[in-house]
Amino acid sequence: ETGVTQSPTHLIKTRGQQVTLRCSSQSGHNTVSWYQQALGQGPQFIFQYYREEENGRGNFPPRFSGLQFPNYSSELNVNALELDDSALYLCASSQSGTASYEQYFGPGTRLTVT
Amino acid sequence: GQNIDQPTEMTATEGAIVQINCTYQTSGFNGLFWYQQHAGEAPTFLSYNVLDGLEEKGRFSSFLSRSKGYSYLLLKELQMKDSASYLCAVNLRVRTTDSWGKLQFGAGTQVVVTP
Repeated sequence: ETGVTQSPTHLIKTRGQQVTLRCSSQSGHNTVSWYQQALGQGPQFIFQYYREEENGRGNFPPRFSGLQFPNYSSELNVNALELDDSALYLCASSQSGTASYEQYFGPGTRLTVT
Repeated sequence: GQNIDQPTEMTATEGAIVQINCTYQTSGFNGLFWYQQHAGEAPTFLSYNVLDGLEEKGRFSSFLSRSKGYSYLLLKELQMKDSASYLCAVNLRVRTTDSWGKLQFGAGTQVVVTP
């Protein structure tokens, strides 16, 4: 069983730049959710992708966007980076349509915006 | 609105028992998760309660009361490796369809286990 992987591990960007983070879901999972975790806080839901479409969104502005590919992997794109975007970005994969809603988290990408 | 509360920090001695409480006020609910997160690492799944009652899994047990909006995680026979942040999360509808899986997390409870 292949776990959830994310790349890159760490990233440093300048305010105003754009960034793309990548996530490969666990084998057999068709749904990917993205979360932002600021230091000392719990993860905050950004959005979820299912069948290559956005399946719901949290309170994040449109400059946060995403994609899901036919192999269920996913990308998170953030435009016009702001200092407050500095956080750990987690993706979680799950299998929709089953009784279990357990989400398996990847190791995260630590983004620092300077 | 959505509100999930849990204590910020708890300290206990190795071998002891610690109970982490979580209260929630949410519109729409389909179960409550507990995750463990070590510093710099991803959250790892501990338990998922959908129905009222106690679920036991080894040294960890989780309890849910839906009518009271209350859950707790019980850690028994504490070990040094249990020092971590414990996150309570409710499972909400992703949107107005029948799709679930939007997790609303509390801020986490940092458990410190001392020798």
